[in-house]
Amino acid sequence: QQQVKQSPQSLIVQKGGISIINCAYENTAFDYFPWYQQFPGKGPALLIAIRPDVSEKKEGRFTISFNKSAKQFSLHIMDSQPGDSATYFCAASSVRTETSGSRLTFGEGTQLTVNP
Amino acid sequence: DGGITQSPKYLFRKEGQNVTLSCEQNLNHDAMYWYRQDPGQGLRLIYYSQIVNDFQKGDIAEGYSVSREKKESFPLTVTSAQKNPTAFYLCASSISKGDTQYFGPGTRLTVL
Repeated sequence: QQQVKQSPQSLIVQKGGISIINCAYENTAFDYFPWYQQFPGKGPALLIAIRPDVSEKKEGRFTISFNKSAKQFSLHIMDSQPGDSATYFCAASSVRTETSGSRLTFGEGTQLTVNP
Repeated sequence: DGGITQSPKYLFRKEGQNVTLSCEQNLNHDAMYWYRQDPGQGLRLIYYSQIVNDFQKGDIAEGYSVSREKKESFPLTVTSAQKNPTAFYLCASSISKGDTQYFGPGTRLTVL
């Protein structure tokens, strides 16, 4: 079974600090790696995504680092703010077919708390 | 506004009853998905549909059923065969063979 393993399960960071969440995968066919942000009682929202042809992607305070050989990718949140407190999910999907579509495999989530 | 709507937001059910969760999208997406989320766990795929009148089982389809009669709608029925139905249910959609899935606000189902 395809798996994506995410760590840590929970993370507490001080305001202004760097939050780092890690994910590891097994299936080398995965070629799309998104991160979703979810606030309590809400649906997940796409935060940032990367493909294996680049090792890093940055959007504002959010950066994905990707290590293809190690089959790992991570989310870095710079200058973390209390408003970033949420649950973050990594995910991965492989080549799409007519029948499989974009099946995402999700990590178990990281609950981030940024203290003021 | 384009987006995905799910209703109701909260749903209570007695044991032994079937219940249907609504999901509608006006994004003109071909693909739609249903996920289940339990506390402290990731999202698990229940069913998905790539095109009208066709759908496939996901990883945890037992005790659930779906239909896809219209492109915009993908209702999920939680049947009495589902042994532990209390959870947060999320609907998502994407373009055909697209990677990015867009999620609705979710329905929290509680079995009393």
